[in-house]
Amino acid sequence: DSGVTQTPKHLITATGQRVTLRCSPRSGDLSVYWYQQSLDQGLQFLIQYYNGEERAKGNILERFSAQQFPDLHSELNLSSLELGDSALYFCASSPQTGIDTEAFFGQGTRLTVV
Amino acid sequence: AQSVAQPEDQVNVAEGNPLTVKCTYSVSGNPYLFWYVQYPNRGLQFLLKYITGDNLVKGSYGFEAEFNKSQTSFHLKKPSALVSDSALYFCAVRERAYNTDKLIFGTGTRLQVFP
Repeated sequence: DSGVTQTPKHLITATGQRVTLRCSPRSGDLSVYWYQQSLDQGLQFLIQYYNGEERAKGNILERFSAQQFPDLHSELNLSSLELGDSALYFCASSPQTGIDTEAFFGQGTRLTVV
Repeated sequence: AQSVAQPEDQVNVAEGNPLTVKCTYSVSGNPYLFWYVQYPNRGLQFLLKYITGDNLVKGSYGFEAEFNKSQTSFHLKKPSALVSDSALYFCAVRERAYNTDKLIFGTGTRLQVFP
């Protein structure tokens, strides 16, 4: 168990809908990262938060947004969903912005858009 | 920009034989390199990292990795493969840019260990 909790584990929704994925980082970890894993594109970095502030954005669509709350949990909001958004979404956390520390990953949320 | 490459989509090895999963990197400055493993329907699990020091890094589950600066490589190795090692392996590098330290992953290598 990595200590990173993601809910829900599975989500099936229709095109055009909006969903929220939730991540609780390891206790005390300030950095949260979101990644998308699809079959044809590997692990793509979406966004990073550190202690409530956005730090970096990757290839995140404008239909997607995220935030990190004062209790350090994070939510990834996906709207106007398309079939191509079906993927595994991972959250990871690190203690702080340290390049020599490993990140710990949750078990992911599998999103299926039908 | 930092990047890593995993040239093999799949590696097949017989149980008991040594295994190698390849990774090469391209970074400016010192590299901070990681290996993760993903079992089916699971998240990524940290295996080992190279920050500085010895070129041979030991990690979890009997895995080790060899850092080679001249060849810009960080290959994952295990002396004797187990069927249970079959999984997807990712090499990663920490981005070194203003305000972020995100991990950048390779495309992954599927390891299949046959009995």
